[in-house]
Amino acid sequence: RKEVEQDPGPFNVPEGATVAFNCTYSNSASQSFFWYRQDCRKEPKLLMSVYSSGNEDGRFTAQLNRASQYISLLIRDSKLSDSATYLCALIKGGKLIFGQGTELSVKP
Amino acid sequence: GAVVSQHPSRVICKSGTSVKIECRSLDFQATTMFWYRQFPKQSLMLMATSNEGSKATYEQGVEKDKFLINHASLTLSTLTVTSAHPEDSSFYICSASLGGMNTEAFFGQGTRLTVV
Repeated sequence: RKEVEQDPGPFNVPEGATVAFNCTYSNSASQSFFWYRQDCRKEPKLLMSVYSSGNEDGRFTAQLNRASQYISLLIRDSKLSDSATYLCALIKGGKLIFGQGTELSVKP
Repeated sequence: GAVVSQHPSRVICKSGTSVKIECRSLDFQATTMFWYRQFPKQSLMLMATSNEGSKATYEQGVEKDKFLINHASLTLSTLTVTSAHPEDSSFYICSASLGGMNTEAFFGQGTRLTVV
């Protein structure tokens, strides 16, 4: 089983839609979780860290569910510029481990 | 945020030759850097952990003699793909963090390697 699993998508949504991604992880000892955004042929950029209490940054909300071992990312009021691949990641043994990434395409 | 610079951004080489990729932390010292590889439509796969002043730690399935890593200073790690073959064509990317297990990782711009 992979350390981190994501639905690769693609998710095709209209502008203004709300979209949610989930990511499951297998190691219950993992303590730190993140969402990254990666544009085509570019390096990933940190979108937000994920805390047990949940955190929100503008249109983006991240949640961690330790009991079910998944993290989620909610994007409200999608913009065309949100089109990208969203990667969840966790730290295990000092190393940052990524999921496969979920491709999002926001259409006009 | 901290800046990590990777060079070159794109390289095309002939099969059988070697290619060196540099990763520099520009405004901080990085005792540890990480090298990833990403094939199209796939995730970033950790290849190895580069440790300043000591040998790199390779992930399972990664050939250490093929992917040579040198971390001679606190600001520079290099990855050399030796005797490159077309199947080595991929996006190689490095990262470094300011320190501690739970701190943000900063990525280089990545190197797109094409072996012909």
